[in-house]
Amino acid sequence: AQSVTQLDSHVSVSEGTPVLLRCNYSSSYSPSLFWYVQHPNKGLQLLLKYTSAATLVKGINGFEAEFKKSETSFHLTKPSAHMSDAAEYFCVVSLFSWAGGADGLTFGKGTHLIIQP
Amino acid sequence: DSGVTQTPKHLITATGQRVTLRCSPRSGDLSVYWYQQSLDQGLQFLIQYYNGEERAKGNILERFSAQQFPDLHSELNLSSLELGDSALYFCASSEAGLVSEELFFGEGSRLTVL
Repeated sequence: AQSVTQLDSHVSVSEGTPVLLRCNYSSSYSPSLFWYVQHPNKGLQLLLKYTSAATLVKGINGFEAEFKKSETSFHLTKPSAHMSDAAEYFCVVSLFSWAGGADGLTFGKGTHLIIQP
Repeated sequence: DSGVTQTPKHLITATGQRVTLRCSPRSGDLSVYWYQQSLDQGLQFLIQYYNGEERAKGNILERFSAQQFPDLHSELNLSSLELGDSALYFCASSEAGLVSEELFFGEGSRLTVL
């Protein structure tokens, strides 16, 4: 079984300050891990993904995430927040398996990122 | 723009009715997924198709059905609608339906059941 927990439902930061969105997962197998972003009234868009290559993954718009197997975490960070980063962020885990397609994806509940001017 | 097109964007209907949501995947993508997003349940996987065949089922109710046509577009049919079916329904597509692939999401169809 697999699950994903986003530790904060809301995170508020000031523009220009660092962003940290926390995600912990549980998976019996080697997971693929993703972060997706959803802007208001839009569909989800992939920020970055980890699929057993480098543990530090760089994504779009200056975001990056580090896979830490010992801590079963995949936290998302950005050095300096911008107003346009205000959105909902989803951490996603999937089994790395040929048994199925992305039906194995499990979405976290989401973290709402608020950027204060 | 993800390349995935969903229609209609908004739909208001009454309990007991039936609606059809349509999805055109990104050009070249063979796999289509349907998700339901609501405030209390979050994002729930409903069903996946690959090249016209059902690949996997998630938390899809028996009142709901879907299919993927030879031209790869997909339709999600919701019948005997209940108030609790009000939600945002997303379609996503990917190239081959593998777990490591990026999903490309449409902007969703917002269903309101009154």
